[in-house]
Amino acid sequence: QVQLVESGGGVVQPGRSLRLSCAASGFTFSSFAMHWVRQAPGKGLESVAVISYDGSHKHYADSVKGRFTISRDNSKNTLYLQMNSLRAEDTAVYYCARGPGTFRQDYWGQGTLVTVSS
Amino acid sequence: NFMLTQPHSVSESPGKTVTISCTRSSGSIATNYVQWYQQRPGSSPTTVIYEDHQRPSGVPDRFSGSIDSSSNSASLSISGLKTEDEADYYCQSYDSSNPVVFGGGTKLTVL
Repeated sequence: QVQLVESGGGVVQPGRSLRLSCAASGFTFSSFAMHWVRQAPGKGLESVAVISYDGSHKHYADSVKGRFTISRDNSKNTLYLQMNSLRAEDTAVYYCARGPGTFRQDYWGQGTLVTVSS
Repeated sequence: NFMLTQPHSVSESPGKTVTISCTRSSGSIATNYVQWYQQRPGSSPTTVIYEDHQRPSGVPDRFSGSIDSSSNSASLSISGLKTEDEADYYCQSYDSSNPVVFGGGTKLTVL
């Protein structure tokens, strides 16, 4: 069965960096687009970034453009999100999700909490 | 950029039918598929409807999706409501510039 396991969350000071990982299993990782979606405490879902199946196409939300980088290693079945210059408003649960395409998600991980605070 | 607007909350009794709307601010609702995600408290989202009206395997046929071009909106209907349907529901769509846009979410209370 499809499994997506996020890791790398934690408490970080404003301005610092953090890298999230998402280990995928149960499907052919290299055939699917992948998404990062976040949810601030008590708020709705926000798409952060999406990457095509081969990594050739990437899209970012305006709120993270220039600070976050999405990448993938198809040989390791792993998705990454490098987050730099973190701000308090980046505090959220970060989910990775599989995409049958770049335009939707079908399976979601359990999420990892990122807290940006001094 | 377009927006998807959902009611903040809806409530209905067990056994009844509830419909949640999702209105697209610009661009035709019929041009790009709409998905619906369910998020129970403390859990990750799951897909209940994709590509306007398709149900993933395992989702009961009490859940249905539709599109109304006249109101430029999508709808999620849940019939035979059960207490387990109590959750937040998010619509999602896209266009050529924005691959993923979520609605603000609707809290469904089954009382």
